[in-house]
Amino acid sequence: EVHLVESGGGVVQPGRSLRLSCTASGFTFGDRAMSWFRLAPGKGLEWVGFIRTRPYGGTTEYAASVTGRFTISRDDSRSIAYLQMNSLKTEDTAVYYCTRDRCSGGSCYSADYWGQGTLVTVSS
Amino acid sequence: DIHMTQSPSSLSASVGDRVTITCRATQNIVDYLTWFQHKPGRAPRLLIYAASTLQSGVPSRFSGSGSGIDFTLTISSLQPEDFGTYYCQQSYITPLTFGGGTKVEIK
Repeated sequence: EVHLVESGGGVVQPGRSLRLSCTASGFTFGDRAMSWFRLAPGKGLEWVGFIRTRPYGGTTEYAASVTGRFTISRDDSRSIAYLQMNSLKTEDTAVYYCTRDRCSGGSCYSADYWGQGTLVTVSS
Repeated sequence: DIHMTQSPSSLSASVGDRVTITCRATQNIVDYLTWFQHKPGRAPRLLIYAASTLQSGVPSRFSGSGSGIDFTLTISSLQPEDFGTYYCQQSYITPLTFGGGTKVEIK
């Protein structure tokens, strides 16, 4: 059974950094692109970014709102995806979810499994 | 960016009712449209992908239709466990974008 477990959330001051982890199990992690999404209080779902598989270059893409501040990486040997968040702003406050891409190999930009999420609160 | 407009933003319906949610894109996304269900405190759940393909394990009362810019999610007979917020998402091009959500309540 596929499981995704996010960790690393918490309360952080504006301008500081935080790294989220997504530990995966139940599938061959290296075969799937992985994405991060977020749900801010009172708002709808927002795509944060994703990372392709190594055969597809392991490249990343990001939403404009986080480009230059957030970095996604992956450790296929440990089945973990990371979201490094720097220069955090109050508007980054949200529940962050990691997801597995529905397609094997290349990304089809569609998630079939989501984690339960981890809350990040950016506040002074 | 492709903007997704979802309607209604909320609805209240009785068990057994037929429920329809619509989603409109600002440009042609062919059939690159996904529907999710989200309940508070839980992981979002994939319902429909490629506009009309039912995800494995999802009850057949859920169906999706449409192509191009207009799409529909239908619940043929609403059940008590169908409460939650439903989102459409275009998977045609990055940045991936969502509709604003439809909150479904059971009367």
